[in-house]
Amino acid sequence: KNEVEQSPQNLTAQEGEFITINCSYSVGISALHWLQQHPGGGIVSLFMLSSGKKKHGRLIATINIQEKHSSLHITASHPRDSAVYICAGETSGSRLTFGEGTQLTVNP
Amino acid sequence: NAGVMQNPRHLVRRRGQEARLRCSPMKGHSHVYWYRQLPEEGLKFMVYLQKENIIDESGMPKERFSAEFPKEGPSILRIQQVVRGDSAAYFCASSPNGQGTNYGYTFGSGTRLTVV
Repeated sequence: KNEVEQSPQNLTAQEGEFITINCSYSVGISALHWLQQHPGGGIVSLFMLSSGKKKHGRLIATINIQEKHSSLHITASHPRDSAVYICAGETSGSRLTFGEGTQLTVNP
Repeated sequence: NAGVMQNPRHLVRRRGQEARLRCSPMKGHSHVYWYRQLPEEGLKFMVYLQKENIIDESGMPKERFSAEFPKEGPSILRIQQVVRGDSAAYFCASSPNGQGTNYGYTFGSGTRLTVV
């Protein structure tokens, strides 16, 4: 079983919709990262969370440590948000363990 | 302040050749991580280095792969005698002190290796 599981694997939305991507992780992960990867492009770090909630523009990330669960929300989605969103757990020693990614497509 | 620089962006090698991938971390960052993304798969940790030290190489294949981060110059991921299965995107990330929880990681744009 992977240490980090995210869902859904694929998500299609209409422009303007509210989007949620979920991530569950196992024991031993001290912080949760959300990353964005565009086709053919590099990886951008969106958030790091060890507790609570963080917001940046239209992106919101939350984490529930007791339930070992994190969510990434996108408000007022736009076609330029189309990308793969990856959650990654940070273990001791600073290595990241990645989920399989969620392919998000936002249609105009 | 340039971000993490990886080069080359694209690398084509014939089976049996050597591939050398370079990663220059952000200025002031002395911790480097290499990750591999095989086609249609997620990212996997390979190796974590500090200047002149390998901290964790538990994700590196036992043979043909090596990594270094010298006192001067970029970190190098070296793959000897490449095979088709080595075709992947290789990403490098850096941090100032290894404490990703506080300071985050900055990723490079990756090197896409194709073995023909």
